[in-house]
Amino acid sequence: GESVGLHLPTLSVQEGDNSIINCAYSNSASDYFIWYKQESGKGPQFIIDIRSNMDKRQGQRVTVLLNKTVKHLSLQIAATQPGDSAVYFCGSQGNLIFGKGTKLSVKP
Amino acid sequence: GAGVSQSPSNKVTEKGKDVELRCDPISGHTALYWYRQSLGQGLEFLIYFQGNSAPDKSGLPSDRFSAERTGGSVSTLTIQRTQQEDSAVYLCASSPGLAGSTQYFGPGTRLTVT
Repeated sequence: GESVGLHLPTLSVQEGDNSIINCAYSNSASDYFIWYKQESGKGPQFIIDIRSNMDKRQGQRVTVLLNKTVKHLSLQIAATQPGDSAVYFCGSQGNLIFGKGTKLSVKP
Repeated sequence: GAGVSQSPSNKVTEKGKDVELRCDPISGHTALYWYRQSLGQGLEFLIYFQGNSAPDKSGLPSDRFSAERTGGSVSTLTIQRTQQEDSAVYLCASSPGLAGSTQYFGPGTRLTVT
């Protein structure tokens, strides 16, 4: 069946370093992808999205890259801060399918 | 403005009892979603409401689960004859338009079935 998954369940980075969180999807018809951040005890919060007609989109300290050829999505966080510690989900919005999440831990 | 709210924030119930979980979406949002998040798992889609259309119930895991959305606003997720495997965080989200637009999530209801 369809899936949206993440390569690593946990990621630990040093404060100030860049973080890269990866995600793979299976449905080539997916046309809209979203990254969410979920802090402990809270609901997911929208970070950034990208449509399938784009391969890159930048926000504030975050960049999402989409490689449709290999059905791969990544979230890059620049100058990672302790406040970035959370679980990050990628999702294929049109199909209402989300990955399990990668837990990002930032070491001071 | 007010975000999505859910109540209760925590619910402990005995196996076999029925529970109702409530979601108040952002005012004006026509789409409403329910998800389940088990420990260490991702978001599992349950049900989707869009305007006055028939809901998409394709994610409901069994006939013990049902949901209603009254007046196009508040939604209630009902779980009948709860089982221990129903223990999870139940998240509600709303969005301003059709599926594909950004969803805004509530804080969730943590359900524990003992």
